[in-house]
Parts: sequence; structure tokens; C-alpha cells
Amino acid sequence: DGGITQSPKYLFRKEGQNVTLSCEQNLNHDAMYWYRQDPGQGLRLIYYSQIVNDFQKGDIAEGYSVSREKKESFPLTVTSAQKNPTAFYLCASRPSPRGQETQYFGPGTRLLVL
Amino acid sequence: QKEVEQNSGPLSVPEGAIASLNCTYSDRGSQSFFWYRQYSGKSPELIMFIYSNGDKEDGRFTAQLNKASQYVSLLIRDSQPSDSATYLCAVTDSNYQLIWGAGTKLIIKP
Repeated sequence: DGGITQSPKYLFRKEGQNVTLSCEQNLNHDAMYWYRQDPGQGLRLIYYSQIVNDFQKGDIAEGYSVSREKKESFPLTVTSAQKNPTAFYLCASRPSPRGQETQYFGPGTRLLVL
Repeated sequence: QKEVEQNSGPLSVPEGAIASLNCTYSDRGSQSFFWYRQYSGKSPELIMFIYSNGDKEDGRFTAQLNKASQYVSLLIRDSQPSDSATYLCAVTDSNYQLIWGAGTKLIIKP
């Protein structure tokens, strides 16, 4: 079964805590993306990676970090520096960073602050 | 600043009618155009893509592209309550990066 998986579905963060959201794909896609979506709002790009061991900041990277050590995996860490992390986090992948094909999304992780 | 604009809605349409969703974009070099549907609490799913000027039909959905006017639309015929969702327009810019609209909320009234 090919696709993009994200875990956990729900995540609770305490004040001052770093948390890591998992994103895995078995589609052999080169490019991967992290978006944040607030209620009633559109998608905002946090980070993206076009190739293994390389990643770029998006529009709202502050308070977040990523790694891309394997083609299949692109975890996102929400650090304590992110003061308002409550949101729906979406991971996406794309066959190539430059091409006509579009992105495909995982099911998302909802992050809540305790 | 490259932009994709959508009316946020909500757009309310009676069941069985045609729903028309619109999207404009600023980058004349844009090559590919996509429509996603997002149900509340779920992730976006791709429903249509179009690359060339004109119409593209898939079942009850028709995508229309007019590059001269920098305009792409999605028509949903015979609207059903299950079509109620937010519809996101996405466009690749001249560097093939995806630019997202903020979405239009569509409500189909029984």
C-alpha cells in the first residue's frame, strides 16, 4: 500500500517541551513538505526538502526544525521557541521538486498545548 | 509576491445546482493548476488538475483554465451534500513551486 503516513494523529505538548511529528512516505518521492493549518485558514509552508540531506525554510520556519536523513522520512520538531503551536500539521510529498506533478498529503497531526 | 486568490466564502448552493469556484493567480509563468477538496478535520485530496487552456471534465467536475486572464475555475454539476467542503486552488509558479490559495468553503443545502 503506497502512501504517506503521519503519526501520531493527536499530540499534546506541555509548556517548554519539544515534540516531534513523524512523516513517512513509500512513494519514492524526492520532495517532501511540512505545512501548518490554523482553523479556517489556508496552508502555510514551514519547511521543505527537495532531496535527501537538504532542506529549506518556508514562510513560517521559526520555532520549528526538520531533518532529511532518509528519502522516506521527514520528521518535524516543534520546539519550545514556537509559542503558539496549536494547529493541524500536514506533511506532503511530490515526485519531483520541479515538474508538473503536484503534492500528495498525509492524514495530518493535530497538535494541542496542555 | 506570487499570489493565488480565492473568495473565502462560504458559497451556498442548493442541492442539484451547479457550484462554481474561482481562482486567480499572479504569475504569468504558471504551468500547472490543481484543485483540492478538504473536508473538515481532514487533509486535502487532489480532485482535478489542468495544464492547458480550455475545459477538462471528470465526472461531475469540470476545470476551466484561461491563461490570458490568469483565471482557473472548478464547476461541480448536480451538487450533492457530500460536496460540502473547502476547495483549495494550487498553482505551480515559473519555478515549479506550488503556491496555494486560502480556499473557498462550499455548502450544499439539501
